[in-house]
Amino acid sequence: DTAVSQTPKYLVTQMGNDKSIKCEQNLGHDTMYWYKQDSKKFLKIMFSYNNKELIINETVPNRFSPKSPDKAHLNLHINSLELGDSAVYFCASSLRTGGLGANVLTFGAGSRLTVL
Amino acid sequence: DQQVKQNSPSLSVQEGRISILNCDYTNSMFDYFLWYKKYPAEGPTFLISISSIKDKNEDGRFTVFLNKSAKHLSLHIVPSQPGDSAVYFCAASDQGAQKLVFGQGTRLTINP
Repeated sequence: DTAVSQTPKYLVTQMGNDKSIKCEQNLGHDTMYWYKQDSKKFLKIMFSYNNKELIINETVPNRFSPKSPDKAHLNLHINSLELGDSAVYFCASSLRTGGLGANVLTFGAGSRLTVL
Repeated sequence: DQQVKQNSPSLSVQEGRISILNCDYTNSMFDYFLWYKKYPAEGPTFLISISSIKDKNEDGRFTVFLNKSAKHLSLHIVPSQPGDSAVYFCAASDQGAQKLVFGQGTRLTINP
């Protein structure tokens, strides 16, 4: 039973389209995250949510809109896709925000987005 | 501005020998450091961590060393096994920032 699952695993789309990536965790964690792994391989935080509330928005373009309907789900919607959005997007969760419990993240398997 | 850097993109080690992966950071506010391991087509998984109040933490074959004055940490794997072949990410956090900052990873290959 996958702890953090994200769909789709692969996504190929044209520039200008709108797409969504869904994430669900069954660990009972309070905090969820979206990380982006770019072409240079760094994992960079985009957003974090704690119990459906936005905690971190790391200077991400407005075209990216996270939505957390409940604490077990954090979806990522991207409008007007650009070539530079091509990356692997990882969803993650942690027990809580802040303190030691925030540091041990459980990651999903990643969603590879390719914008043509 | 990359606050956590892993300057070796790859490392190749003979099975049974020691693997040493290095990581440097620039932010003196970081007080907790972690290593994550990633296999292809999977997400990173937590491996071992160390608080800034310590200079060493050991868990089985894995030991993390922290040198605060040099802003440097390393992960030692002894003895290295083929299953250790993966990408290793170093990460750091400042509790107040509520987020992890990752390096770009080092691909470790263990040769039989």
